[in-house]
Amino acid sequence: QSALTQPASVSGSPGQSITISCTGTSSDVGGYNYVSWYQQHPGKAPKLMIYDVSNRPSGVSNRFSGSKSGNTASLTISGLQAEDEADYYCSSYTSSSTPLVFGGGTKLTVL
Amino acid sequence: EVQLVESGGGLVQPGRSLRLSCAASGFTFDDYAMHWVRQAPGKGLEWVSGISWNSGSIGYADSVKGRFTISRDNAKNSLYLQMNSLRAEDTALYYCAKEARGYSYGTGGFDYWGQGTLVTVSS
Repeated sequence: QSALTQPASVSGSPGQSITISCTGTSSDVGGYNYVSWYQQHPGKAPKLMIYDVSNRPSGVSNRFSGSKSGNTASLTISGLQAEDEADYYCSSYTSSSTPLVFGGGTKLTVL
Repeated sequence: EVQLVESGGGLVQPGRSLRLSCAASGFTFDDYAMHWVRQAPGKGLEWVSGISWNSGSIGYADSVKGRFTISRDNAKNSLYLQMNSLRAEDTALYYCAKEARGYSYGTGGFDYWGQGTLVTVSS
């Protein structure tokens, strides 16, 4: 099962909005509304930010939003803050022999 | 408060075995699927294995299939990963993660993670 494709890095200035893409296939991202997004700060465990494409867990800022079009899911962070600087990973349920696949990760730099 | 505490990591020679454990508390363990996710030093997340709430569904990444075995003991609120024939490329921080949606398998995202246990495979 190949990993989902994410850009290696994105950057933005405080207050701006950025979008991170996550491209898969019709067997994963495109076939199911089971895409999740995780934030990981250095030396910390990942934190769930979005599940089921666009749902936010309790306690996650509404500056984080998710969407999907075809085989590509997206995470948008609006009103960038310094604390948003982290690595972000997408994941999706898949119809392959393995039920889940992660993206390669995107490093977000807040300039 | 939900807690996941991994243990069992360490330095092991190639070809040897190791058994990881994850002690869970703060939620009804037998209502949720559980997973192992690893992260090699400086690399991204890799899903390793998952097991449904009743052990009826089990899956492995191709990279560990035939070498690793996942299991759970709902009476002990514990998750395990038996790792055999270890290779240098298995070196990673191994996280235990709880699926967010009850009675699902692979669909709900992981809402709680442990702090990980480090496995180093080297001679």
